[in-house]
Amino acid sequence: DGGITQSPKYLFRKEGQNVTLSCEQNLNHDAMYWYRQDPGQGLRLIYYSQIVNDFQKGDIAEGYSVSREKKESFPLTVTSAQKNPTAFYLCASSIVGRGSRSGNTIYFGEGSWLTVV
Amino acid sequence: AQKVTQAQTEISVVEKEDVTLDCVYETRDTTYYLFWYKQPPSGELVFLIRRNSFDEQNEISGRYSWNFQKSTSSFNFTITASQVVDSAVYFCALKGPGGGSQGNLIFGKGTKLSVKP
Repeated sequence: DGGITQSPKYLFRKEGQNVTLSCEQNLNHDAMYWYRQDPGQGLRLIYYSQIVNDFQKGDIAEGYSVSREKKESFPLTVTSAQKNPTAFYLCASSIVGRGSRSGNTIYFGEGSWLTVV
Repeated sequence: AQKVTQAQTEISVVEKEDVTLDCVYETRDTTYYLFWYKQPPSGELVFLIRRNSFDEQNEISGRYSWNFQKSTSSFNFTITASQVVDSAVYFCALKGPGGGSQGNLIFGKGTKLSVKP
């Protein structure tokens, strides 16, 4: 099946610990994204990548890091510097468009719940 | 600045009732894209529709219909004859032209729809 796979679905982190959320897509999309969702809120962009080996900070990048070594994979590391990491994390991907095609739809994975214990 | 407002935080209806979810947006771009996503309790964001700013034609897909009005900067979503399976949080989102951060999705805070049998 084609789609975006996130793992793990649920993850618990201890204070001061780094954790990595996995995101894999087989849609052959060039662009990948990480969003954070807090209860009762919309989604906020953490990082995005439009091409392998390149990525850019979104609105709330502090305390997070990413890598894009392969087109299919865009893992997110939540570092100990992120003071309030408990949230729902969504990975997404899309075609990279220009001009009239720049409104390409962004498709989402099933999400990962991260809780600090 | 771009902004999406979903004034209805929660809506509760009885099955078979029609329901309209409101979305008002703000943007200075002349070209932009509007989206609706559905987030069921499982957490995944499911893409429903994309609308280009230069296409004001309303759209109907089964029990779903969308009313796009540039004059009032609104992109409302109506579910006809609602069903229990429609229970979810619905997000309206706005995307500017271009790629990268300029083309990032700006989400409203969502409307939680509960359809009771």
